[in-house]
Amino acid sequence: QSALTQPASVSGSPGQSITISCSGTSSDVGGYNYVSWYQQHPGKAPKLMIYEVTTRPSGVSNRFSGSKSGNTASLTISGLQAEDEADYYCSSYTFTSAVDVVFGGGTKLTVL
Amino acid sequence: QVQLQESGPGLVKPSETLSLTCAVSGYSISRGYYWGWIRQPPGKGLEWIGFIFHSGNIFYTPSLRSRVTILVDTSKNQFSLRLSSVTAADTALYYCARTVTSQYYFDYWGQGILVTVSS
Repeated sequence: QSALTQPASVSGSPGQSITISCSGTSSDVGGYNYVSWYQQHPGKAPKLMIYEVTTRPSGVSNRFSGSKSGNTASLTISGLQAEDEADYYCSSYTFTSAVDVVFGGGTKLTVL
Repeated sequence: QVQLQESGPGLVKPSETLSLTCAVSGYSISRGYYWGWIRQPPGKGLEWIGFIFHSGNIFYTPSLRSRVTILVDTSKNQFSLRLSSVTAADTALYYCARTVTSQYYFDYWGQGILVTVSS
């Protein structure tokens, strides 16, 4: 069981917007602004899409945006494109008794 | 361009030690960043294993701490993973990745190497 909770799947039509949630606790998502998001296409390594909750790395489309409210972070993809179909994982720094990095279970995005 | 490449045996027997190496090119490990390992069991999600700074400062995920060792070799610009007493539950795709220090996100990843634990 993953430390962070994501929906197993989401779907949307081309051009629409979707949001993927990532629920944690005050010890991880809610306690630090160290939430990141990764896109993984089948058979490929994960790719960084968002870091520090809202920041896009150079080269990542501005259709991808991140936010956080309380213990829940969100990834929004606007203007859905077929190439966005992939698995998406959130991650957060956490510290209880030691440094740790936790991931969500992943969300399968289907572009209809 | 930073590149990472994992190498090592693809098959390990139960109770033995899994050993992998990650060769880094395009960036000197000695300049900074954490260098770490993440794994993904077949069809499942990602799990952080640990990371190391070039000075040797190391962090491991609590659930694997008793079995994991990560080492860095700055002369070869590479780092390694050792996981002892493996079981079938350790079968996974193992990725090495560069971790941005104190911000805890992974900006460059290797392509991954599948390690199967089986007799």
